[in-house]
This record gives sequence, C-alpha cells and structure tokens, in this order.
Amino acid sequence: GEDVEQSLFLSVREGDSSVINCTYTDSSSTYLYWYKQEPGAGLQLLTYIFSNMDMKQDQRLTVLLNKKDKHLSLRIADTQTGDSAIYFCAFRTDKLIFGTGTRLQVFP
Amino acid sequence: EAQVTQNPRYLITVTGKKLTVTCSQNMNHEYMSWYRQDPGLGLRQIYYSMNVEVTDKGDVPEGYKVSRKEKRNFPLILESPSPNQTSLYFCASSFSGPARDEQYFGPGTRLTVT
Repeated sequence: GEDVEQSLFLSVREGDSSVINCTYTDSSSTYLYWYKQEPGAGLQLLTYIFSNMDMKQDQRLTVLLNKKDKHLSLRIADTQTGDSAIYFCAFRTDKLIFGTGTRLQVFP
Repeated sequence: EAQVTQNPRYLITVTGKKLTVTCSQNMNHEYMSWYRQDPGLGLRQIYYSMNVEVTDKGDVPEGYKVSRKEKRNFPLILESPSPNQTSLYFCASSFSGPARDEQYFGPGTRLTVT
C-alpha cells in the first residue's frame, strides 16, 4: 500500500524559512497537495502541484517535487507566528492519501 | 457561504452508547467522505459515498456505519463505540471523487470514548 512519511515536528524562529518534507512510495499520483490545519480547525488547502511539474511558487510558499527521489517539500519564506499549524502532504490517486503531518512551531 | 458543517464539534461518551456525527454540505457535491485523524498516522478514510444511496468502505471502516439518503447529508454512525475510536473526525466533500476534484473539509469532531 501507499506509504507517506513526514517528520513530526519542526521549530523555527520568526522570520526564518521553514522547510517541511514529505516522502512517498506510490508514484502514480497526479496531484500532490499541502494542507494546513490550524488548532481546532479543519484542513485548509494551501497549495498543490501537478505531478509533471518540478516547482511551484505561490507568494511565500514554494513547493518542490523530486519525482526520482519521491520527495515533496514545502518551503515557507519569512515564517510568521500565524504559520504555526500542522501541515499535511497528500497525494491524489484514486483517493486522497495523507501524510502523517508535521507540527510547525514558530517562536519569536 | 459554501461550507461543510459537522455536529457536534466535541463529544464525550461511554463505551457501547450509540452515537451519530452529522455532516452536511451546501455545495451540491456528489462525493462525501469521512476521515479520522490520529497522532502520527495522518488522516485515514473511513467511508465514502459517490452519490445518494451509494456508499463504500475506506481504509478503516470497522466499527462504523454511514448512510446517504440525501445528497447534502452524510452521517457517521458508531453503533457501539469503543475507546479505540477516540479520535478527531473530519467530513469532506467534492463535486466528484478526490481523483478529480479538490476536497472541502469540515471543522472536525473530537470524540472521546471512555
């Protein structure tokens, strides 16, 4: 079956860049997503990338896809305290497969 | 406002007492699904529905039931809850399945079974 791994925690200083990583085993995905879950809230789609792309930039967010290594990353530039949340990568095949989630903590 | 709503948002219950978590969407979506979120495991799909009266098992269906009598509603039923069903539950919907469309998530229901 599909296996999607993320590191559990990441702690960064406000103003620094954050990089959240995701590795996967299934290479048949068409879309790859990053979701953000703020405390007490549901999942909010942050950004996505098509499987035929290597990079996508959206304001402070940069998504990198390395299909050879089956590695997806999300870079947040100028990280703010409001970015503190759990971040999930997800892959679309015939269903949506979620990673284990990375809790990002931003400290002043 | 387009949204997916869930009720209740928080629920504490005892083992064996039947409960229902409701989910409703106002976007005329055909596809609806339920997930549970557990630490270190991400989100796992419980059941999904492609349309009215069409439901199917996801990855972790044991101990759960669903029904889809109307397009907008997709309740999750726990006939005899057990402590291992303590979790955070999310309902999601989309026009068609996740293979084609973005899913919209509800705010979540935190369930504790003692």
